Amino acid sequence: QVKLVQSGAEVKKPGDSVKVSCKASGYTFSSYYMHWVRQAPGQGLEWMGIINPSSGATGYAQKLQGRVTMTRDTSTSTVYMELSSLRSEDTAVYYCARGYYGSRNYQNSWFDPWGQGTLVTVSS
Amino acid sequence: QSVLTQPPSVSGAPGQRVTISCTGSSSNIGAGYDVHWYQQLPGTAPKLLIYANSNRPSGVPDRFSGSKSGTSASLAITGLQGEDEADYYCQSYDNSLSGSRVFGGGTKLTVL
Repeated sequence: QVKLVQSGAEVKKPGDSVKVSCKASGYTFSSYYMHWVRQAPGQGLEWMGIINPSSGATGYAQKLQGRVTMTRDTSTSTVYMELSSLRSEDTAVYYCARGYYGSRNYQNSWFDPWGQGTLVTVSS
Repeated sequence: QSVLTQPPSVSGAPGQRVTISCTGSSSNIGAGYDVHWYQQLPGTAPKLLIYANSNRPSGVPDRFSGSKSGTSASLAITGLQGEDEADYYCQSYDNSLSGSRVFGGGTKLTVL
């Protein structure tokens, strides 16, 4: 079955960087975009960006431009999300989610499935 | 605040019907982009509930239905059950924000 498995929880200090991985299985890795979404404690979902696993092309939320980098390793079917210059406000659960749009167009993609989430805590 | 607007909370008794609204604008829902809905049970990752406005993935009960009109969308849940108590999020695409997918702020459903 289609599955996304993320790396474990991280504790970082302000100013540090964090890199979260998401390993895909059960489908052709390069055929589907991957998104990253985060959720601060007690808050809603925030879209962070997208990566095309085939080409490596990326697109990021304006709010995170300059601090976020998404990459992929096609040999291991893994995507990565690195966030730099961490602040306390970056404390959140980070999810990867496969984008799927069937016969619709790319902008109309939905997220299915989701990874289990990775808690990143930023604290001095 | 979120680009898509949802009520913070709704509630209903077991067996009742509830609806959750999702209001956008001319750059997202009103521009014709699809709306998708996710259910997030406490302590778990979100799960796809409705895709492309009104379609249910396999395994989602037909008690859940979605609709879209103009700049808004709605999720309806009939025959409420205790297991439906969760947070619900709508999601769409916004063409005023480069490449951006957008979410509603989420709605907490309480089954009384």
